[in-house]
Amino acid sequence: AQKVTQAQTEISVVEKEDVTLDCVYETRDTTYYLFWYKQPPSGELVFLIRRNSFDEQNEISGRYSWNFQKSTSSFNFTITASQVVDSAVYFCALSGTSHMDTGRRALTFGSGTRLQVQP
Amino acid sequence: EPEVTQTPSHQVTQMGQEVILRCVPISNHLYFYWYRQILGQKVEFLVSFYNNEISEKSEIFDDQFSVERPDGSNFTLKIRSTKLEDSAMYFCASSPGTEVYGYTFGSGTRLTVV
Repeated sequence: AQKVTQAQTEISVVEKEDVTLDCVYETRDTTYYLFWYKQPPSGELVFLIRRNSFDEQNEISGRYSWNFQKSTSSFNFTITASQVVDSAVYFCALSGTSHMDTGRRALTFGSGTRLQVQP
Repeated sequence: EPEVTQTPSHQVTQMGQEVILRCVPISNHLYFYWYRQILGQKVEFLVSFYNNEISEKSEIFDDQFSVERPDGSNFTLKIRSTKLEDSAMYFCASSPGTEVYGYTFGSGTRLTVV
């Protein structure tokens, strides 16, 4: 069974602070994908990043960066110089590919971290 | 950029009524999904659909639910005899093929059962 844990329920920071959102996952699949999604107050799910299990390079995209550590089964997300517009719920998700023929690509989501950025 | 389109954005229905939530996946995608998010909770997988049949479903997806791809473009979720606890945001998603990339979500339908 797959599991994604986001232990931080809610984080509040002041604008321009850096913030890291933690994600720890469990899977028995040898090949898997990790995702981060942003859910603003309007409710839609905004794709941020996808990472496959063979690529442990950290990634940076503007103020966003991701740290994938396979040894600790973690895929943490850092926002540098946070802004009020970053306020949202952030979800980490996992998909395995061990059942490709059956099309099992369902995403398992964590419970989300609500980030509030105060001006 | 191609989008997954969901209609309606918000639907209110009386308990016991049937509802159909509609989705138009991205045209060249092969895998289709429904997810549910009860207010304030995490997003939960309901069902995946491939090659005109259900490929996987969760324990949530019981006999009350059904999915259909009636005309090659639409992908629908039917909920028979709705219950108060079916009130949630329902997300449709699609992905292109054998690799798990390009997994695109629609903007969701908020279902309120009264």
